[in-house]
Amino acid sequence: AQTVTQSQPEMSVQEAETVTLSCTYDTSENNYYLFWYKQPPSRQMILVIRQEAYKQQNATENRFSVNFQKAAKSFSLKISDSQLGDTAMYFCAFMKQGGSEKLVFGKGMKLTVNP
Amino acid sequence: DAGVIQSPRHEVTEMGQEVTLRCKPISGHNSLFWYRQTMMRGLELLIYFNNNVPIDDSGMPEDRFSAKMPNASFSTLKIQPSEPRDSAVYFCASSLNRLNTEAFFGQGTRLTVV
Repeated sequence: AQTVTQSQPEMSVQEAETVTLSCTYDTSENNYYLFWYKQPPSRQMILVIRQEAYKQQNATENRFSVNFQKAAKSFSLKISDSQLGDTAMYFCAFMKQGGSEKLVFGKGMKLTVNP
Repeated sequence: DAGVIQSPRHEVTEMGQEVTLRCKPISGHNSLFWYRQTMMRGLELLIYFNNNVPIDDSGMPEDRFSAKMPNASFSTLKIQPSEPRDSAVYFCASSLNRLNTEAFFGQGTRLTVV
């Protein structure tokens, strides 16, 4: 079975600074996807970024980028130029490629961006 | 598209009552998921449908829980009888097909069983 671990339950950062959220996972699969989802106070789950395990290049989406280390089974999210609207819970998630599209989530991390 | 629509947004019910949560996936999406979010256990998949057929229901906690998808545009999650430990936020999500991995989530239903 796959597991996803987010060891930092809570972080805070000043507006405009950079912050990195950590995530590790455990799997015996070779082909899979990794995701970061954001859950603001509105409760909506929003996809932030996605990484295919077969791709060596780290995914980027505007101010969001990942550091994917497949051998180490590490998948961290970097948020540059933090904005107040980035305040939310952030969830790391794993999906095996092929078969069931089940997302396995970490417990989440609360990020607060301070003005 | 309006996105995944769930109703109700909030539900408070007494222990022992039947509760039905509803979901309308994004039009054209073939896969539908029900997740439960609690403080203790985080987000867990309860059941997954593909083309209206249940594919994986291994996450359904017990017989009190049942889910149906009578057509491509509607799904229900029913709890009968409800218990206080069922209190959680229940999310419905849909995705386009098995090759498209992005799941779009509804805003969830916060269920409180007293």
